[in-house]
Amino acid sequence: DAKTTQPTSMDCAEGRAANLPCNHSTISGNEYVYWYRQIHSQGPQYIIHGLKNNETNEMASLIITEDRKSSTLILPHATLRDTAVYYCIVRVAGGRRALTFGSGTRLQVQP
Amino acid sequence: GAGVSQSPRYKVAKRGQDVALRCDPISGHVSLFWYQQALGQGPEFLTYFQNEAQLDKSGLPSDRFFAERPEGSVSTLKIQRTQQEDSAVYLCASSTPGTSGGVGETQYFGPGTRLLVL
Repeated sequence: DAKTTQPTSMDCAEGRAANLPCNHSTISGNEYVYWYRQIHSQGPQYIIHGLKNNETNEMASLIITEDRKSSTLILPHATLRDTAVYYCIVRVAGGRRALTFGSGTRLQVQP
Repeated sequence: GAGVSQSPRYKVAKRGQDVALRCDPISGHVSLFWYQQALGQGPEFLTYFQNEAQLDKSGLPSDRFFAERPEGSVSTLKIQRTQQEDSAVYLCASSTPGTSGGVGETQYFGPGTRLLVL
């Protein structure tokens, strides 16, 4: 699976959009981008995934660049409950079922 | 409905003791995963079951670690002769396979068992 690079930490004001970047420059054509988050003292939680088209669900939006070398997770109106570590994971379809977590981005939503 | 549950939530063991950690997956979920999370790091894969079959145990760090899922539901992760470096949070996740090749598969995680080896 391709390696991902994320900033170590980010701050966001409550009510504003949080934009979390992820670089995956070595991604291959059959690799999907997944995002999970982990709130303190809880297990990771699935957020969203995509291949090449932008995706949106009730939690977030995922924007993948045309060359697929990077993506951005957008939380449109961040709340204090969104404070967590966010993991960007690249995973090949039909490949190993395990998720490979990196160090993630620690998002702190400020009141 | 009920999510993934794990027990105990906290375990303190003396070095050299054996421990057993339990995972109750979401009912009907075929796949079950174990991960280890050291302090300040992301989870790392240990092993994976599909029903009762252990299909991938490439992440188990040593032969002191053993996992089983005899009836394809509840799973137990056993650590023999615990060492201080085994101190971590042990996470269990379950899922259904989603579409072919696991695309769209969502892994649902339990709260973890925090193991401290003294």
